[in-house]
Amino acid sequence: ELKVEQNPLFLSMQEGKNYTIYCNYSTTSDRLYWYRQDPGKSLESLFVLLSNGAVKQEGRLMASLDTKARLSTLHITAAVHDLSATYFCADQGGSEKLVFGKGTKLTVNP
Amino acid sequence: DAGVIQSPRHEVTEMGQEVTLRCKPISGHNSLFWYRQTMMRGLELLIYFNNNVPIDDSGMPEDRFSAKMPNASFSTLKIQPSEPRDSAVYFCATSHGYEQYFGPGTRLTVT
Repeated sequence: ELKVEQNPLFLSMQEGKNYTIYCNYSTTSDRLYWYRQDPGKSLESLFVLLSNGAVKQEGRLMASLDTKARLSTLHITAAVHDLSATYFCADQGGSEKLVFGKGTKLTVNP
Repeated sequence: DAGVIQSPRHEVTEMGQEVTLRCKPISGHNSLFWYRQTMMRGLELLIYFNNNVPIDDSGMPEDRFSAKMPNASFSTLKIQPSEPRDSAVYFCATSHGYEQYFGPGTRLTVT
């Protein structure tokens, strides 16, 4: 059974701080996706990671992929309020299907 | 490009009624996915099509749910009869390659 586990599920942090969200996945497909969802909105694609050691950065967010450990991380640098949202990782398990984690609800407090 | 278009955006219906959700994919995208999102179960893939052909419907919860893709520009997800536990947000997503692009979703409430 395909499994994607994110932690933490809830994260409250202060502006200016750094933190990391972890995503463990079970397949060997080694394609990992990160999405952002604002309340009541759709999912917005943030990063697509396609190979071991892949690292992508956009603004204060950086995602990386370690296929040997089956682990992806989403690192937040110097958080700002606008980053408050729910972040999902998703594993593409050998087909076109995506299996999503439960999401990490991030709240950035002033 | 307008992105993935879904209609209606909100639907409130009574138990036992038929509900049809619609999706127009991004032009040129050859794969289409229907997802359901609830607080309890998170995001679940219901069914996906490739080149208008259903590839995997293992996530469809039961026979009350059916999906079609009669052409490359249109897909429907039908629930008949609807039940309160079907209340959720239903997303359509499309792709051409790796990345999936999500529509705005349809919020379904069954009373």
